[in-house]
Amino acid sequence: GENVEQHPSTLSVQEGDSAVIKCTYSDSASNYFPWYKQELGKRPQLIIDIRSNVGEKKDQRIAVTLNKTAKHFSLHITETQPEDSAVYFCAARSTGTASKLTFGTGTRLQVML
Amino acid sequence: SQTIHQWPATLVQPVGSPLSLECTVEGTSNPNLYWYRQAAGRGLQLLFYSIGIDQISSEVPQNLSASRPQDRQFILSSKKLLLSDSGFYLCAWSKDREYGYTFGSGTRLTVV
Repeated sequence: GENVEQHPSTLSVQEGDSAVIKCTYSDSASNYFPWYKQELGKRPQLIIDIRSNVGEKKDQRIAVTLNKTAKHFSLHITETQPEDSAVYFCAARSTGTASKLTFGTGTRLQVML
Repeated sequence: SQTIHQWPATLVQPVGSPLSLECTVEGTSNPNLYWYRQAAGRGLQLLFYSIGIDQISSEVPQNLSASRPQDRQFILSSKKLLLSDSGFYLCAWSKDREYGYTFGSGTRLTVV
């Protein structure tokens, strides 16, 4: 089955700096890669996603890049703000029944004032 | 628009007691449904998924079970809870393989 590794596990940045979270996946057939943000005690919420036929996608201050050859994808947050502090999860979806998502282990991002 | 409802929000149960968590989706038909568990400060572990009524697959052997009595209803159950069952339980749905999951608000279960 699919295996997703995520780094770093914790990340501290100064407000206004950029943050980058990286994930690798094992199944070359995976074709969909979402990113979720989970605030303390809340549900994970989809913030951006990318499909395997696209190399990069941007939505305001967040962007995701995908390198299919290397089987890795990254989340980039620019001009970080205190409200960006949360746990971020990457995920990969393999082809097949049920379209299950395999999640990374999460990155706790802390944006310091 | 589609919405997902999950209840209860919090639950404190003694060891050995039964469990029933319910999740329903509105505004769509034949959704894929999922149960995840998240231990404190940890990642998301897939427990069960379902692509249709009475079509349920288990990902992790444990003392939990799942049922889907109706198209948009997904239930997580246990006959006897263990301390290790404590965690944050999340239900999620997706329409098909082209969409990400939408999670319910979660149930925080504490087994004492």
